[in-house]
Amino acid sequence: GENVGLHLPTLSVQEGDNSIINCAYSNSASDYFIWYKQESGKGPQFIIDIRSNMDKRQGQRVTVLLNKTVKHLSLQIAATQPGDSAVYFCAEMNYGGSQGNLIFGKGTKLSVKP
Amino acid sequence: ETGVTQTPRHLVMGMTNKKSLKCEQHLGHNAMYWYKQSAKKPLELMFVYNFKEQTENNSVPSRFSPECPNSSHLFLHLHTLQPEDSALYLCASSQDIGNEQFFGPGTRLTVL
Repeated sequence: GENVGLHLPTLSVQEGDNSIINCAYSNSASDYFIWYKQESGKGPQFIIDIRSNMDKRQGQRVTVLLNKTVKHLSLQIAATQPGDSAVYFCAEMNYGGSQGNLIFGKGTKLSVKP
Repeated sequence: ETGVTQTPRHLVMGMTNKKSLKCEQHLGHNAMYWYKQSAKKPLELMFVYNFKEQTENNSVPSRFSPECPNSSHLFLHLHTLQPEDSALYLCASSQDIGNEQFFGPGTRLTVL
């Protein structure tokens, strides 16, 4: 079946370093991808999205890369800060096939060491 | 913060109780969603409403009953739940189906 998954369940980085969180997806028909951040006690918060007609999109300190050939998505966080500590989820959507519903991965916990 | 509020934030109930979760969005969105978040599992979509009409029911047991009286409010009525239903229940909204979803803070539900 179709699924979205994450390569690493936990990631620990030093403050100031760059972080890379990876995500694999199996539905080649997915055309929209979102990264969410979830801090303890809060709901998921939108970080950045990318559509399948792009391979890179940059935000403030974050960059999402999409490799459709290998069905891989990554989130890069520059100069990681303690406030970046959270669980990060990737989500995929195939608008035509799934009525626009998001399918979430399991999440990667990012811990930032001071 | 996101424009989506949920009440209560925490709820403890027995298996014979009836309770309701409430979600309200102040964003003018047309679509609203209920998700279940359990430990060590991905977020599970439960229900989708678009313009107050239910468009998706992801094989959710009938002990969960959604209600969407208008585009700004969404309820989840709970009846005779099981301990395995204990989870964080998240509400989300989006401008339309297929757009970015904004999440509320969730209701932490414990079924005894």
